Amino acid sequence: RKEVEQDPGPFNVPEGATVAFNCTYSNSASQSFFWYRQDCRKEPKLLMSVYSSGNEDGRFTAQLNRASQYISLLIRDSKLSDSATYLCYSGAGSYQLTFGKGTKLSVIP
Amino acid sequence: NAGVMQNPRHLVRRRGQEARLRCSPMKGHSHVYWYRQLPEEGLKFMVYLQKENIIDESGMPKERFSAEFPKEGPSILRIQQVVRGDSAAYFCASSPGQLNTEAFFGQGTRLTVV
Repeated sequence: RKEVEQDPGPFNVPEGATVAFNCTYSNSASQSFFWYRQDCRKEPKLLMSVYSSGNEDGRFTAQLNRASQYISLLIRDSKLSDSATYLCYSGAGSYQLTFGKGTKLSVIP
Repeated sequence: NAGVMQNPRHLVRRRGQEARLRCSPMKGHSHVYWYRQLPEEGLKFMVYLQKENIIDESGMPKERFSAEFPKEGPSILRIQQVVRGDSAAYFCASSPGQLNTEAFFGQGTRLTVV
């Protein structure tokens, strides 16, 4: 079983829609979680951290569900500029940063 | 405060040549990670280094690939006798060193083997 799994998508949504992605992790000892965004042929950029209490930043909300071992990212009022691949990262106390393969989002006019 | 710097941005090598990719971490970061990404694929972990130490190289191919992070200077990912299958984007990330902190990525080196 892979350590971090994501639905690869693509998610094709109209502008203004709300979209949510989940990311499941297998290591129950995971302590830190982050969402990254990667544009085509660019480097991943940190989008937001995921705390136990949840985290909200403008149109973006990240949640952690420890019982079911997944994190989620909710994007409200989608913009064309939100089109990208979203990567989740789970840190389990080891030094290896484990990323999911990413979920591709396309926001359509 | 400069971010993670990688160079070169683009590198073309003929089969059999050597490729050297360099990564300077963010100021104050002492931990470096290297990833490889093929087109339409996810990030594949290769190696994690601290200054003068390889901590985890479980993702490195057993042959032709090596990495170092000397006391002075950038981290180097070295690929000897490159083959076409080595063509990919190679990303470096750095972190402050505490476990489970955010990592920040460089812009990557795109290696093309012809």
